[in-house]
This record gives sequence, C-alpha cells and structure tokens, in this order.
Amino acid sequence: DTEVTQTPKHLVMGMTNKKSLKCEQHMGHRAMYWYKQKAKKPPELMFVYSYEKLSINESVPSRFSPECPNSSLLNLHLHALQPEDSALYLCASSQEGGTLTDTQYFGPGTRLTVL
Amino acid sequence: AQRVTQPEKLLSVFKGAPVELKCNYSYSGSPELFWYVQYSRQRLQLLLRHISRESIKGFTADLNKGETSFHLKKPFAQEEDSAMYYCALMDTGRRALTFGSGTRLQVQP
Repeated sequence: DTEVTQTPKHLVMGMTNKKSLKCEQHMGHRAMYWYKQKAKKPPELMFVYSYEKLSINESVPSRFSPECPNSSLLNLHLHALQPEDSALYLCASSQEGGTLTDTQYFGPGTRLTVL
Repeated sequence: AQRVTQPEKLLSVFKGAPVELKCNYSYSGSPELFWYVQYSRQRLQLLLRHISRESIKGFTADLNKGETSFHLKKPFAQEEDSAMYYCALMDTGRRALTFGSGTRLQVQP
C-alpha cells in the first residue's frame, strides 16, 4: 500500500459538535503531518509527529487536538470549531532520516464545513 | 524566517509552447526544494525535488543559489499539464514544508 488515506472525505459539523478526522498510511513512514488548506491558498502546516511524538505545533488553537495512536495512524480531534475553520485538512507522511527520504506524501484530504 | 514566492497566480500558454513557472525562496540554511502539483480533483503530489535532479513528465527545475530560485521548466507544454503548481521549501531541522502561494498553469489547445 503506497497511499495515504483519509476519512471522512467530507464532514459538516456544528460549532458545538465533537468530531475526528482520521489518517492512515502503511508505508512504514515514521513522520506524519496535518496541514490546513483554505480555498485557493497553499497548505499550511499545523502539526508534525515524529516517531509517534508531537514534534511541531504551529501555534494551532486548542480546539484542534492531534493524536498519534501508532505509527500508521494519525487523528485530528475537533471540538468547538468556528466557521472560519472550514477548510480542506490534509494529512501527509514521510520517512525519517536522510534527505532522500524526506519526501512528504499527501492524502486526498477531508473537506470540513463548520456551520 | 523562510519564505517561498511564486509571483504568478496564473500562467496561460498554448499547447507546444515552453513553460516556466517561477519560484524564489528565502532561507538561511542549505535549502531543500520541491515542486508539488495538484491536478483537478486529485491529491497534492510530488513532481520533483532538486536533490534528485530528475526530469518528471518533461519538467525540470534547477536550483540557483545565487539567485535563490528554483524555477520549473518544460520545453513543450501539454494540455494535461494544466494544474496548480506549488513550490515548497523544507526546513530540514524541523522537517516542515513551507509552500508558495501556487501558480495555476492553463495549457490551451
């Protein structure tokens, strides 16, 4: 399996809801990432996990809570979101160590709409 | 702070014409640069990276440290090249990618 998968494809939620986004890869990658992409904008890094530990948090509000239960799985828990959080949420993964292995592979994204 | 600049939001060319998508960067260390492409309704995917020195789908990009540029070139554009192209720079210490704002390439028949 050489792909990053994300579920769900689309998610609509109210501001009081709690939901989770899921990302999975079976390429043996040890680094996983969450990006946020607003319409007609480039992806912006949110979080980086390296060997299942959070290594980067780009000052993301606490209503976004990442979790890496194992090396293949990455979750993003959502709570009390705002309408401006509506965006495409992208997951990516990469191997660790050595420049030739730093290519990030992206999932198709979850399109989130907050009402 | 690192920065990636893609000055053109849209580049429109005719099929068979040469293409150059510009990318300039600002980074204090030794840069690792990438071009990613996003075709309509498809995921973001790696097109090429400077360290590999590959030619993918006829595209090439040369890192020019003097001009801090990593322009993407193709001698003869094809209609299937129409897509959004992002230049990206990796902060190797943090393994964080910073993307440029993107250039939409339209290849007209």
